[in-house]
Amino acid sequence: GIQVEQSPPDLILQEGANSTLRCNFSDSVNNLQWFHQNPWGQLINLFYIPSGTKQNGRLSATTVATERYSLLYISSSQTTDSGVYFCAVGNQAGTALIFGKGTTLSVSS
Amino acid sequence: GAVVSQHPSWVICKSGTSVKIECRSLDFQATTMFWYRQFPKQSLMLMATSNEGSKATYEQGVEKDKFLINHASLTLSTLTVTSAHPEDSSFYICSARTRSISNQPQHFGDGTRLSIL
Repeated sequence: GIQVEQSPPDLILQEGANSTLRCNFSDSVNNLQWFHQNPWGQLINLFYIPSGTKQNGRLSATTVATERYSLLYISSSQTTDSGVYFCAVGNQAGTALIFGKGTTLSVSS
Repeated sequence: GAVVSQHPSWVICKSGTSVKIECRSLDFQATTMFWYRQFPKQSLMLMATSNEGSKATYEQGVEKDKFLINHASLTLSTLTVTSAHPEDSSFYICSARTRSISNQPQHFGDGTRLSIL
């Protein structure tokens, strides 16, 4: 099956810093989503981005499908950005998402 | 936007009890729902795919007789953990996709934290 690798596994930032999270996948995909899991376990959908670039406030994401990677950019990080960021992909219509192991982000004030 | 409701959000029960978790799509029809399990500090692992009106498809290593899945309508799927034991304690989360639209995001419930004493 498709493999999903996220890097780095852990990231520690000072408030206000910028960061880039990476997601590599082993096969072509028709679905790619970025999630933020908060301390209560809720998965917050950040982006649905099987290809191209999107921006939402301080967050943006780019997926280069031909090179099988996606990047999540967080600018001017805040303490509320702390948590685990997951990349998840699907490579067939109607199938489940396969999750990477996540990047744990800690932002301190 | 599409909303998936999961209930209950937290369950604590004694070993040997059966626990039912509901996953509802509130404002769309979901022909397919997915059930995931997440152990502490780990990623989400797919347990099974639930299709409306047919038997669920389980991932390798998931006991279908222990984790009973019913998807009786286009808006409701249930996961029943039968005769639960402490090793079944985990975070269970469901997702759903919009009916008959292939390339659409999946929408997730808020999860159920199950603790077996």
